[in-house]
Amino acid sequence: AQSVTQLDSQVPVFEEAPVELRCNYSSSVSVYLFWYVQYPNQGLQLLLKYLSGSTLVKGINGFEAEFNKSQTSFHLRKPSVHISDTAEYFCAVSDIARGAQKLVFGQGTRLTINP
Amino acid sequence: DAGVTQSPTHLIKTRGQQVTLRCSPKSGHDTVSWYQQALGQGPQFIFQYYEEEERQRGNFPDRFSGHQFPNYSSELNVNALLLGDSALYLCASSLPRNTIYFGEGSWLTVV
Repeated sequence: AQSVTQLDSQVPVFEEAPVELRCNYSSSVSVYLFWYVQYPNQGLQLLLKYLSGSTLVKGINGFEAEFNKSQTSFHLRKPSVHISDTAEYFCAVSDIARGAQKLVFGQGTRLTINP
Repeated sequence: DAGVTQSPTHLIKTRGQQVTLRCSPKSGHDTVSWYQQALGQGPQFIFQYYEEEERQRGNFPDRFSGHQFPNYSSELNVNALLLGDSALYLCASSLPRNTIYFGEGSWLTVV
């Protein structure tokens, strides 16, 4: 079984400042890793994913994440945030062996951008 | 290209009633999954349908059931509603071993 821990439930940041949202996972098998964003009263939108290859993955809206296998982490970063980045961010994993079709999510991190 | 569409967007039910939520997958997608997202929580996997059969199931009671139709659309049914079933229900669609796309969700309130 897999589990995901998002280390911060809320992260307040000033506009144009850098941000890092932390995610650690636990799994006995190989996994794919994802970050999704949820804007208020909306569904989930995929930001980026790690399947294989380079451990630094780039996503939409200027976000990137780095897969660290030894630390079982997949932290999300953005060098300069905007007001429009205010949202809930979810880290998720899926089991490669079972077709990567079931996502296990963390509890979410609420990113608040202050002007 | 329409994405994943869900209906209804909001509904209110009374304890003990039954509810049906509907989902049309993204064009060309044959796999549909359902997730429950309680307020302030991450989504939790309910079950997944492929070729009209339930392929995987999460830790949800039998009150939660589903169906997939030949056109790949899907329904989620919840019987004997409890207050704790109040949540956002998300439908997701995909092709096998491919990116999973989510709909906007159906907000269910049980009173």
